[in-house]
Amino acid sequence: DAGVTQSPTHLIKTRGQQVTLRCSPKSGHDTVSWYQQALGQGPQFIFQYYEEEERQRGNFPDRFSGHQFPNYSSELNVNALLLGDSALYLCASSPPQGRGEQFFGPGTRLTVL
Amino acid sequence: AQSVSQHNHHVILSEAASLELGCNYSYGGTVNLFWYVQYPGQHLQLLLKYFSGDPLVKGIKGFEAEFIKSKFSFNLRKPSVQWSDTAEYFCAVNAFSGGYNKLIFGAGTRLAVHP
Repeated sequence: DAGVTQSPTHLIKTRGQQVTLRCSPKSGHDTVSWYQQALGQGPQFIFQYYEEEERQRGNFPDRFSGHQFPNYSSELNVNALLLGDSALYLCASSPPQGRGEQFFGPGTRLTVL
Repeated sequence: AQSVSQHNHHVILSEAASLELGCNYSYGGTVNLFWYVQYPGQHLQLLLKYFSGDPLVKGIKGFEAEFIKSKFSFNLRKPSVQWSDTAEYFCAVNAFSGGYNKLIFGAGTRLAVHP
């Protein structure tokens, strides 16, 4: 049973560009959350998707947007990249009727030059 | 605002020493509590969790944590650490809000265990 998978592993972009990160949840999970982990910090909640809709959002600007597909996979899009967007982006999935336990993928390391 | 504080950013121990990592949270409602671990080069893994019931919970690899509601704390303990416990440890709170939930993480504690 595959766990949460993310692609790509690493990404290098320049300021002003746009990026799309992808996530496939653990089998049987229907909720996907995205987190940003800057160097030396804990993960920060970006948003959560359920039934193809964003149902909760953290303190991130509108440059950060997402999507969930009918197969529960998800994308995170970041527009107009800033140097400060350089971080590890984590995807986490959780099962139906879960109690908050989330399973994390390996992350995508984004570097903005 | 909801927040999680981890008091120790870096901890260095010798093998067989006892470990206690502090975690306090700020949230007055219903919470579920977690400790995650990130070994070097690996992704975040769940170490243990507390939902309800016995406030002393046991996780993998000999770790345990105690939930003290009156102190808003959920400290992680291990009686005798091993070199393989070298990792970064994150305390997280799942704060229920409006029927939905998100994980709020502390800044993490980097543990180095020397042989």
